[in-house]
Amino acid sequence: EAQVTQNPRYLITVTGKKLTVTCSQNMNHEYMSWYRQDPGLGLRQIYYSMNVEVTDKGDVPEGYKVSRKEKRNFPLILESPSPNQTSLYFCASSLSLRGRRETQYFGPGTRLLVL
Amino acid sequence: DAKTTQPPSMDCAEGRAANLPCNHSTISGNEYVYWYRQIHSQGPQYIIHGLKNNETNEMASLIITEDRKSSTLILPHATLRDTAVYYCIVRSTMDSNYQLIWGAGTKLIIKP
Repeated sequence: EAQVTQNPRYLITVTGKKLTVTCSQNMNHEYMSWYRQDPGLGLRQIYYSMNVEVTDKGDVPEGYKVSRKEKRNFPLILESPSPNQTSLYFCASSLSLRGRRETQYFGPGTRLLVL
Repeated sequence: DAKTTQPPSMDCAEGRAANLPCNHSTISGNEYVYWYRQIHSQGPQYIIHGLKNNETNEMASLIITEDRKSSTLILPHATLRDTAVYYCIVRSTMDSNYQLIWGAGTKLIIKP
């Protein structure tokens, strides 16, 4: 089954404790992206990757890191989480950036609480 | 800022057609109209997209006005499982970053 998976789905942590949220897709998609969703603010893009070893900042990259060493994986790293990073996080992937193949597929979400 | 305007909420009776409007009066010639939906904090789900012609797939129909300043998403026979927030988004295929600008969407409630 074609899908985007995220782990963990729920996470409670404390300020300053490094964490990684994994994202994996099995569709051989080139493009992957991370969003966060907060009440009243909609989905905002954190980072995106157009292919292996190619990443770039989205609208709200502060406090986050990403890497794209393999095509299928795009982990989101919080080196020193803070309470303002409490949010619902979504990973998404897309086959390409052109034409009808550019629709994005989203993971199930990771709900993060930073105390 | 989102380039679209949608009503914050709508109701529809189960089994009837749900018609969700979207205003995108500043849309440019190379911008597509996309519709996604999000069911109760799950990951958003793609529904349909189009440029200027009407589109139909197994989920919905998309009607775009001739001047492209507005569109309507039609769910032909709404079910309770169609209760969700529906997002109308415009995006240029010329963007170097595949970024969707998400607005607040329309919360559609299907009533039995």
